[in-house]
Parts: sequence; structure tokens; C-alpha cells
Amino acid sequence: DQQVKQNSPSLSVQEGRISILNCDYTNSMFDYFLWYKKYPAEGPTFLISISSIKDKNEDGRFTVFLNKSAKHLSLHIVPSQPGDSAVYFCAATDQSKLTFGKGITLSVRP
Amino acid sequence: GAVVSQHPSWVICKSGTSVKIECRSLDFQATTMFWYRQFPKQSLMLMATSNEGSKATYEQGVEKDKFLINHASLTLSTLTVTSAHPEDSSFYICSARDRRGHEKLFFGSGTQLSVL
Repeated sequence: DQQVKQNSPSLSVQEGRISILNCDYTNSMFDYFLWYKKYPAEGPTFLISISSIKDKNEDGRFTVFLNKSAKHLSLHIVPSQPGDSAVYFCAATDQSKLTFGKGITLSVRP
Repeated sequence: GAVVSQHPSWVICKSGTSVKIECRSLDFQATTMFWYRQFPKQSLMLMATSNEGSKATYEQGVEKDKFLINHASLTLSTLTVTSAHPEDSSFYICSARDRRGHEKLFFGSGTQLSVL
């Protein structure tokens, strides 16, 4: 049973435009959500997080939105840059362990 | 920022041999380390949780006799894949949680294991 779902395997956007990466979860016990960025053959690096008591968290070009009633979160990157091209993992925790989605490959075209 | 060092970054071995992967937290103490496994185009799957000074907790379906985990100090955890077989070929990633309890995990760079 996949508790964290990233249903789109890939996304391609033009440089300068907005990238919107979506994530859905099923476990209502999750109370903290994180996004990680991963380059090939490297470990994931933390990008941004959000607590379940908030609905938005912003850090520079990155904003994460949380809709608890829909069990949905999204990562917005604006403006998108070619260096943002990577795999993005959504993760959620109920304070015991992190559960990851399958990831989405973002390609930013120059 | 916090750094987690994982070695080796890649290893090729013959079937039946054992492979040890090290995970070190370089500038913080980690009471808990996690070991993940990732198949191509798949999610990071948690294999086990390693607590310093105690036995590791394995996820369902992960053979503890196959994947030996040792967390002997606050800065080092090791994963040994015993009697490796081709189906064990995968990308293994460790992560460490700062003992101060931050939710964010810090990840090693991963180990690509190829078993011939």
C-alpha cells in the first residue's frame, strides 16, 4: 500500500516558468512533509518542509502548499532554472519514520 | 550544514561474497540512522532503522540475517550484505538524524551495488 503517491513520473517545463510538483498521501497520521531533490547516483538533499499545522511554506524560489482535507501537497518552483532538473521526492512522517513517494523527474528546458 | 559520508560509492562483487557499506555522520552525532534501498525509477524503501547501541529494527520483508546492521557509535553505522546475489543489486542509501531531534534527515551519497 503506497501511502505517499507521486502519480506523474515526469514533468518538463520551460526555463523561467513555474514548475508544480504534486504529491498525495493517504495516512492521516502524517504530520510533517518534506521535499527532497536527487541527482543521479547521489543521495537526496533536503529542499523544503511543512508542518501539518501550516498550509504554506516559502523559501526563495520554492513554495510548498499543503491541503490537509484533500491530503495533497505541492511544490512550486518559480522561476524554474535548468539546474533544477533532478528527481524530486515527496516524503511524509508520523514522527516514526519517513515514507517516500516514487519521485518525479523534472526537466527544465533552456 | 550536516554531512553524512557513505562509502563505498559503488561496488561490484561476485555472487556469494559479502559487502560492507559504511555510513558516518561527520559533524554531528546521530542516535538514529536509517538504511534505504532504491530500485531504478522506484521510491526509496526503508530497510531498517539503526539505533546506537541496540539492535536494528527491520521493515517487513527485509531479511535481518541477509542485511546485517551495526551501529556501534554515535557517528557510524554499517550495513553488510551477506552472501550477495544478483537480485541484491541496488542503490543503497543511508541517512542520519541529528540527535537534537530535527525532522530533517541528512543523506549519504549512496552506494551502487552490482552483484555479478
